[in-house]
Amino acid sequence: EVQLVESGGNLVQPGGSLRLSCAASGFTFSGYWMTWVRQVSGKGLEFVANINQDGTTKNYVESVKGRFTISRDNAKNSLYLQMNSLRGEDTAVYYCARDPSSSAFDLWGQGTLVIVSP
Amino acid sequence: DVVMTQSPLSLPVTLGQPASISCRSSQSLVHSNGNTYLTWFQQRPGQSPRRLIYQVSNRDSGVPDRFSGSGSGTDFTLKISRVEAEDIGVYYCMQGTHWPTFGGGTKVEIK
Repeated sequence: EVQLVESGGNLVQPGGSLRLSCAASGFTFSGYWMTWVRQVSGKGLEFVANINQDGTTKNYVESVKGRFTISRDNAKNSLYLQMNSLRGEDTAVYYCARDPSSSAFDLWGQGTLVIVSP
Repeated sequence: DVVMTQSPLSLPVTLGQPASISCRSSQSLVHSNGNTYLTWFQQRPGQSPRRLIYQVSNRDSGVPDRFSGSGSGTDFTLKISRVEAEDIGVYYCMQGTHWPTFGGGTKVEIK
């Protein structure tokens, strides 16, 4: 089955760190750009970061630059998001998504919830 | 960043009747390669987003043909020819021509 499964979300204190993972299956993971998108509860969607097929190109939304790092392990069919110096405004459901071209995300995971609170 | 503005915010609909959602961008979404990267997503309650339409008007596999996308430049529309109960949820447009940005969403609910 073609799917993405996120994990790693948790309750963390402000200033803390968390590492999200996304396990891909059912397709050739190494052939796609991959993306993290987040959604604050009851609100809209925000692109967070993306990474190209071999991990040499990475892009971040301004608000997470210097704090978040996207990476991938094609041998393990996995995508990661290392989140440091977390803030309250990072509280959201984080989705990983497959990007076949120009951010037309055609496959999404079920999401993992990150709560940043004292 | 390109601002994507959707209207209406909320769309009460009668089952079996048509529905239309507008999405306007603050800049042209025509890429230098000639393609227009405007995508529509559906998010049902409690679910992840699901892609319906890509590059303005291309319907994804498995998406009912009552859904259609149209538009050009900065002005785009998602239409549902006859709303069914399973269509309830929030619809988002998104552009990928520039730095990716989403519209704020349109909530489709039963009148």
